[in-house]
Amino acid sequence: EVQLVESGGGLVQPGGSLRLSCAVSGFTFSSYNMNWVRQAPGKGLEWVSYISSSSGTIYYADSVKGRFTISRDNAKNSLYLQMNSLRDEDTAVYYCAREWAAPSNFDYWGQGTLVTVSS
Amino acid sequence: QSVLTQPPSVSAAPGQKVTISCSGSSSNIGNNYVSWYQQLPGTVPKLLIYKNNNRPSGIPDRFSGSKSGTSATLGITGLQTGDEADYYCGTWDSSLSAGVFGGGTKLTVL
Repeated sequence: EVQLVESGGGLVQPGGSLRLSCAVSGFTFSSYNMNWVRQAPGKGLEWVSYISSSSGTIYYADSVKGRFTISRDNAKNSLYLQMNSLRDEDTAVYYCAREWAAPSNFDYWGQGTLVTVSS
Repeated sequence: QSVLTQPPSVSAAPGQKVTISCSGSSSNIGNNYVSWYQQLPGTVPKLLIYKNNNRPSGIPDRFSGSKSGTSATLGITGLQTGDEADYYCGTWDSSLSAGVFGGGTKLTVL
């Protein structure tokens, strides 16, 4: 069974940092491109970042570029999102999502981890 | 402001059919595959349609997708109260080098 389990969310002050993790199981992690997608409370989905299977290609949304860093450890079946200089508008549920069959097509999603940026 | 444009809401009676539109541009829908997701209240998004018009295993054929030029459409027939959810279109934008989603459409089954 495919599973994606995020962790690392919580309450952080503006300007602070958090590191999200996504532990996967049930598939060959090293064969899949992975993404982070977020959803602010009561709002729609927003794509955040992409990393290729080998970490050779990385993309970010303009809203997080220069502040967030995506990475992965294929030996540990884990995906990460280092978030620095956090802002109020980064408050959201963050999902890791597996890309399959086509660019930006997400067939499996984690349950999400809530990040709240507030003083 | 989302890159892809969806109507905020649609509604129809049980048993009827509804369509949800998703409008984009040549850099996204026009030259990339479109996906559709269903998000039931309080749950994680679920893939409904991939590569414009394909259903993943387990998705009933009441759900269909199509694409023409820079627009895509999700169709749902035989509406059920359990279909009440938010629906999102998504694709890759080659100019932005970024994933993009529509703003979401809330479906109400009256």
